[in-house]
Amino acid sequence: DTAVSQTPKYLVTQMGNDKSIKCEQNLGHDTMYWYKQDSKKFLKIMFSYNNKELIINETVPNRFSPKSPDKAHLNLHINSLELGDSAVYFCASSRPGGELFFGEGSRLTVL
Amino acid sequence: SQQGEEDPQALSIQEGENATMNCSYKTSINNLQWYRQNSGRGLVHLILIRSNEREKHSGRLRVTLDTSKKSSSLLITASRAADTASYFCATAAGDSWGKLQFGAGTQVVVTP
Repeated sequence: DTAVSQTPKYLVTQMGNDKSIKCEQNLGHDTMYWYKQDSKKFLKIMFSYNNKELIINETVPNRFSPKSPDKAHLNLHINSLELGDSAVYFCASSRPGGELFFGEGSRLTVL
Repeated sequence: SQQGEEDPQALSIQEGENATMNCSYKTSINNLQWYRQNSGRGLVHLILIRSNEREKHSGRLRVTLDTSKKSSSLLITASRAADTASYFCATAAGDSWGKLQFGAGTQVVVTP
């Protein structure tokens, strides 16, 4: 069973569209994250939720809206997509202060 | 801003050789972690070293931490082709344990 699973793995869309990425973890962790990895492999945290509560919001445009319906799920919705949003988005989860467990990534290409 | 920076950016070695990569960071940390990322995959945690530790081992991995120099090194001994991947250091500062800051990674290629 996959510990952290995110869907879809690939998204190709036009500028201005809205898209969502879903993430689920079956590790029983309270904390979940969204990270963005750019074309140079630089990985940057976007959001973190602890037990459904937003605890980290790293100066991300408000076109990005995370939602955590329960502590096992953290979804990412992106409105009005721009070319610069093209990247690989990683979901992760952890126990407090522990190592992160990452999903396999969702590669977003905005044309 | 980027907290950890790995050096070198890329490393090419032959199977059986050792691979060493370094990480420097800027602020005080609670712990430093190393992750591996195979091409097209997610990151996998390798090892965590706390700020009060100086060295840690896990299998063929050896990590050192020098808080006075704000640096860490990852040594992979007797490398294998399967070790080909990008390696990232990540730091957790102060009470912001959830806010891991990653470097840009060292790309390691191990040729048979």
